[in-house]
Amino acid sequence: GDSVTQMEGPVTLSEEAFLTINCTYTATGYPSLFWYVQYPGEGLQLLLKATKADDKGSNKGFEATYRKETTSFHLEKGSVQVSDSAVYFCALSGGFKTIFGAGTRLFVKA
Amino acid sequence: EADIYQTPRYLVIGTGKKITLECSQTMGHDKMYWYQQDPGMELHLIHYSYGVNSTEKGDLSSESTVSRIRTEHFPLTLESARPSHTSQYLCASSERDYNEQFFGPGTRLTVL
Repeated sequence: GDSVTQMEGPVTLSEEAFLTINCTYTATGYPSLFWYVQYPGEGLQLLLKATKADDKGSNKGFEATYRKETTSFHLEKGSVQVSDSAVYFCALSGGFKTIFGAGTRLFVKA
Repeated sequence: EADIYQTPRYLVIGTGKKITLECSQTMGHDKMYWYQQDPGMELHLIHYSYGVNSTEKGDLSSESTVSRIRTEHFPLTLESARPSHTSQYLCASSERDYNEQFFGPGTRLTVL
């Protein structure tokens, strides 16, 4: 069946460092891909999405490109801030249900 | 303003009590979902609904039940709470297949 694998955390970075969180997937067909973010005490919220191969999703300085050839959707940000500390989930939707990765916790130190 | 709401946000209750977790959305979405989120953060789908009068069990076995009498309302009920039910419960909705899901703020349940 469909699945999502993302890098384990926690990831700890200093402010202004470069961020990469790896995400790979297996799916039949042509899923949509998402990154969600969860701040402490809150539900998940959509960070960015891509609906077809080679699409780049971007929001708040975060980017991810839908790579069909490597079945990947890695999340990147050029300069992280303390306020980016949260849990990040990679996800795919091949139809009605969404498959979520296990989540990667990010800590950013001032 | 279109949104998705969950009440209560926090609940501490004794073993054996019946509880209902409320979820409502004002976006007119047909598809709604309940997830259980463990302390390790992973999300487990426990119930979902395609629309009014449609409910299905998810991937994780759960002793809870759900109902969908109105489009906007998708409550989850535990007939007899146990300490193993202690968790965070997240409700979500979606407009159509392949689309993003919108999440409520969650209910953190503790059963003593």
